[in-house]
Amino acid sequence: GAGVSQTPSNKVTEKGKYVELRCDPISGHTALYWYRQSLGQGPEFLIYFQGTGAADDSGLPNDRFFAVRPEGSVSTLKIQRTERGDSAVYLCASSRLGEGGYTFGSGTRLTVV
Amino acid sequence: AQKITQTQPGMFVQEKEAVTLDCTYDTSDPSYGLFWYKQPSSGEMIFLIYQGSYDQQNATEGRYSLNFQKARKSANLVISASQLGDSAMYFCAMRVVFSSGSARQLTFGSGTQLTVLP
Repeated sequence: GAGVSQTPSNKVTEKGKYVELRCDPISGHTALYWYRQSLGQGPEFLIYFQGTGAADDSGLPNDRFFAVRPEGSVSTLKIQRTERGDSAVYLCASSRLGEGGYTFGSGTRLTVV
Repeated sequence: AQKITQTQPGMFVQEKEAVTLDCTYDTSDPSYGLFWYKQPSSGEMIFLIYQGSYDQQNATEGRYSLNFQKARKSANLVISASQLGDSAMYFCAMRVVFSSGSARQLTFGSGTQLTVLP
């Protein structure tokens, strides 16, 4: 596609539930990044994929968070046993390996009630 | 570890005036890139300008210019002739580039909320 697509744009879930957030990067972009942005703050790095593998998952806050990219394109961020503190905008970005800038999606606003 | 500091939580500027948004960074890596992004209330991150650590000249993109002072580790964004549509959150970010050519993730500052007054 022309841009990075994230679905859903908004997600409201109850505390304790499981959620999946999807990112469809720009075709040909091998690098994919997930960020979390809390209200009034800058995005914080969660995980970085190079192809199918997670090159760096040091930003994942705990083992409730997991992400996959099985075919090297679409990625899914999975959050188990959601907590109210997980409420944030989850941003996805993609880029070509080692060059150029990053293209961000419009984000998924997750609200845990 | 990399760190980006934006010390201005909010800034006001009169329409048609110029404004400077401050950014300082900290890294021990010799090769890095500095980015500025604009985030309107709609939420998307819009790329504005990029400066590489080895670039000899300050980057410019239309009304945006980057005042890069390497020795001071600062990368301030200058917006000339401000417009009402420039009102948004602005983020400074840094990326470390390895000798292999691969790049790591962006590290963002906390942002500056710019309001352009009519």
